[in-house]
Amino acid sequence: DVKVTQSSRYLVKRTGEKVFLECVQDMDHENMFWYRQDPGLGLRLIYFSYDVKMKEKGDIPEGYSVSREKKERFSLILESASTNQTSMYLCASSSLVGYGLEQYFGPGTRLTVT
Amino acid sequence: QQQVKQSPQSLIVQKGGISIINCAYENTAFDYFPWYQQFPGKGPALLIAIRPDVSEKKEGRFTISFNKSAKQFSLHIMDSQPGDSATYFCAASRGARNTPLVFGKGTRLSVIA
Repeated sequence: DVKVTQSSRYLVKRTGEKVFLECVQDMDHENMFWYRQDPGLGLRLIYFSYDVKMKEKGDIPEGYSVSREKKERFSLILESASTNQTSMYLCASSSLVGYGLEQYFGPGTRLTVT
Repeated sequence: QQQVKQSPQSLIVQKGGISIINCAYENTAFDYFPWYQQFPGKGPALLIAIRPDVSEKKEGRFTISFNKSAKQFSLHIMDSQPGDSATYFCAASRGARNTPLVFGKGTRLSVIA
């Protein structure tokens, strides 16, 4: 059974803290993604990576950075957390199957910044 | 600039009815159009997908209709059930290996008995 796991389901941090969100996939997928999900705004892509040590900015990279040192692991870093980064964060990985990318999502991390 | 526009934002359907969610896209280079289903507390999961060389794809009670000239595609859920209550996202991409999906903003479907 394919799996994308995220290090925490719920996280509460203070403004200004450095926050690490970890994601691990066991499917040997090349691509990995970080999204944030907010009511009414849908899924917004923060960063993605299509290979180890490679990263590409998504639609809303400001305030975030990422790290991919191993194929199975993709980390999202909030250098200095702010209250407007309170959100649900979803990690995904994908493979090219047939004619398109099937993305597998983790269960999400609900981050609250106070 | 939103590349995939999804409507309606929310939808209430009676049990046994047909649920219809619509999406429109702008980028004519898109050639892969999936729909994702998300239940509360879970990540989205692929439901059904289509390529533009066909106008319709059906899997069980779920059907994608695709209109290439209008740059629109829609999800139809026949005989809607309370268990179908979820948030649905349409998406599009060029289908290339390192091209991410572009998602619509989602539709919250409630099927009431």
